[in-house]
Amino acid sequence: DGGITQSPKYLFRKEGQNVTLSCEQNLNHDAMYWYRQDPGQGLRLIYYSQIVNDFQKGDIAEGYSVSREKKESFPLTVTSAQKNPTAFYLCATKDRGASPLHFGNGTRLTVT
Amino acid sequence: SQELEQSPQSLIVQEGKNLTINCTSSKTLYGLYWYKQKYGEGLIFLMMLQKGGEEKSHEKITAKLDEKKQQSSLHITASQPSHAGIYLCGAGIQGAQKLVFGQGTRLTINP
Repeated sequence: DGGITQSPKYLFRKEGQNVTLSCEQNLNHDAMYWYRQDPGQGLRLIYYSQIVNDFQKGDIAEGYSVSREKKESFPLTVTSAQKNPTAFYLCATKDRGASPLHFGNGTRLTVT
Repeated sequence: SQELEQSPQSLIVQEGKNLTINCTSSKTLYGLYWYKQKYGEGLIFLMMLQKGGEEKSHEKITAKLDEKKQQSSLHITASQPSHAGIYLCGAGIQGAQKLVFGQGTRLTINP
């Protein structure tokens, strides 16, 4: 989706290091979401934010942190406390009302 | 526990055959979304269903939401190789704000 930029596409880190995944949008959507996808599985919700300076934990928030200081940006930090951080991470945005999620192209994180 | 259950998890069909993927929840769904994904890529939006009993079609794909808004099905007619991929259902739980997804269905089309 051209309106949502996730960078980088591939990210490699050593175990024990924190890493921050970027998600930027120019769709002017209020809501932003972070999902994790493991091979052969669906998406699991990590964190979501409905407005600036507010966010809620999803189903698997442990070991992750987020911030929402600007409407356009919703970075996700994978901390060393996350036991299995290697995965494909997807960021999404949603407009108000009955509207679908718009997804970025994802970041594949590999921790060794 | 999974709030949205998809079945089957994997499906292999002969080109030209019809197929159905199901998505079920024990809770009322606030908006039901179907997406398609090619492995390792982002999700492509297919359809969104809001009202109980609603049905939508796009090309050879039809999606329905039951009257109780707890189950949806995605039906593909006369499948083609281009239909291969991972199909995911997503929905609003606990109101429309928390959006969760099923485990996905991996569809393979054999020529």
